[in-house]
Amino acid sequence: DADVTQTPRNRITKTGKRIMLECSQTKGHDRMYWYRQDPGLGLRLIYYSFDVKDINKGEISDGYSVSRQAQAKFSLSLESAIPNQTALYFCATSAPREDSTDTQYFGPGTRLTVL
Amino acid sequence: RKEVEQDPGPFNVPEGATVAFNCTYSNSASQSFFWYRQDCRKEPKLLMSVYSSGNEDGRFTAQLNRASQYISLLIRDSKLSDSATYLCVVNEKGRRALTFGSGTRLQVQP
Repeated sequence: DADVTQTPRNRITKTGKRIMLECSQTKGHDRMYWYRQDPGLGLRLIYYSFDVKDINKGEISDGYSVSRQAQAKFSLSLESAIPNQTALYFCATSAPREDSTDTQYFGPGTRLTVL
Repeated sequence: RKEVEQDPGPFNVPEGATVAFNCTYSNSASQSFFWYRQDCRKEPKLLMSVYSSGNEDGRFTAQLNRASQYISLLIRDSKLSDSATYLCVVNEKGRRALTFGSGTRLQVQP
């Protein structure tokens, strides 16, 4: 089984709908992240969480919210989806290391289309 | 100016060729550097960390030049399976998350 899973893998929705993307991990990592990827723009950080009580905004958090339900679960919500939120969304986890290398492990991604 | 900049490519090279990518970063206080590989429509995966003294992993060599603020990735004896997008990633001092470049696409041709 995959260490980092995302559901759904694909979603098509309409403008104004509320959408939740879910991420689960079995790696036992405290740190979890949500990114979106758009062509030519690379990965951009939406939110991150270093433990259950620690939630932080990334560079593009407007229009998104998150919930860290447990160490293993980190959900991303779009309260009212708009077409420019059409993108590939990745969840990632990591564990801190003494040398600060902090490798990130990504889920398979969720392709979201907002019509 | 982007914090991490890469040439988007594509780099089209024949099998067996040697190819090199560069990446520049803007924050001189950056501490950690990585190359990730991303196959089409797949998730990124760590290829290798980049250490100050340079490091090699099989056909892949990564180097860091702090004075000029760039890192490089050299791939020798390219294989068809090396075709992917290579992401330059930087951990900036004072930031709690990584910064990703937009990637360089490599296409190895038979």
